[in-house]
Amino acid sequence: GDSVTQMEGPVTLSEEAFLTINCTYTATGYPSLFWYVQYPGEGLQLLLKATKADDKGSNKGFEATYRKETTSFHLEKGSVQVSDSAVYFCALLNTGFQKLVFGTGTRLLVSP
Amino acid sequence: GAGVSQSPSNKVTEKGKDVELRCDPISGHTALYWYRQSLGQGLEFLIYFQGNSAPDKSGLPSDRFSAERTGGSVSTLTIQRTQQEDSAVYLCASSPELAAQETQYFGPGTRLLVL
Repeated sequence: GDSVTQMEGPVTLSEEAFLTINCTYTATGYPSLFWYVQYPGEGLQLLLKATKADDKGSNKGFEATYRKETTSFHLEKGSVQVSDSAVYFCALLNTGFQKLVFGTGTRLLVSP
Repeated sequence: GAGVSQSPSNKVTEKGKDVELRCDPISGHTALYWYRQSLGQGLEFLIYFQGNSAPDKSGLPSDRFSAERTGGSVSTLTIQRTQQEDSAVYLCASSPELAAQETQYFGPGTRLLVL
């Protein structure tokens, strides 16, 4: 079945550092790919998405490119802030299967 | 506009009791989803509705779990004879329609603790 694999956390960075959180997927067909973020004490929020190969999703300085050849959707940000500290979830949604399949989540901790 | 709302926000119950969790989707959204977030299992899909019908109930963990949606809007997830392993955060999401490209918008969740 479909699955998503994310890098283990926590990822600990200093403010203004470059961030990469790796995400790879296994799926039949052509899924849509998502990054959701969960800030402390809050619910899941969509961060960005891409619905077809080579699309780049971007929001709040974060970006991720849908790479079909490597089945990846890595999340990047050029300069993180303390306020970016949260848990990040990579997910896919496949045509005909209406459930989001989530990775295990990666906790990001940014220190001043 | 208003987002997805869920009630109660927290629920503590005794093992063996029944609980009902409620979800109000975003107005006009035809698709509604239930997920569960627990320490051991991560985020897992439970069930989805297209309108009032639930074509796929395969994610429900046991026959103690059931869900319904009425009027194409509010949904209720019921857990009968709760067990300690049911303790988790139950998340509801909705989307404008049922399509792979559509974003699912999540509510704040109901935190269930079974003692």
